[in-house]
Amino acid sequence: GAVVSQHPSRVICKSGTSVKIECRSLDFQATTMFWYRQFPKQSLMLMATSNEGSKATYEQGVEKDKFLINHASLTLSTLTVTSAHPEDSSFYICSGGTGDIFRGYTFGSGTRLTVV
Amino acid sequence: QKEVEQDPGPLSVPEGAIVSLNCTYSNSAFQYFMWYRQYSRKGPELLMYTYSSGNKEDGRFTAQVDKSSKYISLFIRDSQPSDSATYLCAMSWGAQKLVFGQGTRLTINP
Repeated sequence: GAVVSQHPSRVICKSGTSVKIECRSLDFQATTMFWYRQFPKQSLMLMATSNEGSKATYEQGVEKDKFLINHASLTLSTLTVTSAHPEDSSFYICSGGTGDIFRGYTFGSGTRLTVV
Repeated sequence: QKEVEQDPGPLSVPEGAIVSLNCTYSNSAFQYFMWYRQYSRKGPELLMYTYSSGNKEDGRFTAQVDKSSKYISLFIRDSQPSDSATYLCAMSWGAQKLVFGQGTRLTINP
């Protein structure tokens, strides 16, 4: 089945630094990549949607200059958290879409970001 | 009011019991309904999906959608300890964007 590989699975960084999270679709071409964050015991909140080769569409309230998304190829999308602060600590998950609303939602395994 | 409401639990049942998980929603435009299972520190995996109203069965799992009541359910028969996870409902109006419920944490006790 479709697999999305997400790295790193866990990262701890100092406040003020930047962190990059990668998601690769291993056996399919993800024309669309969704980025979510999930707080403990809460649901997934969509942060942004990115289509290969174009700018990401951010959800209301998500700072585009803080959460930089790049989707340069059909198999790779990255999320960079810039100038991270402790309140950015969260679980970040990507999901690759192929256009089929049911078959395309393959999630990565998530990245636990802790900003100290 | 949230677009999708889901009781976060936790829900604890003995092995072999029938589990009922539910979500309500407010947006009548939702047409696609999905259930995801998420193990701790992992990404969600798609369990079942349905389009519009009706029932769908897959092994021990049954998904039901009642659009008139804006209510969806997931039933798990003969529950196993390996079913212990967080279950998230998700729905969409046709665009690729999904709206998730809060998730219900389920524990099946041996």
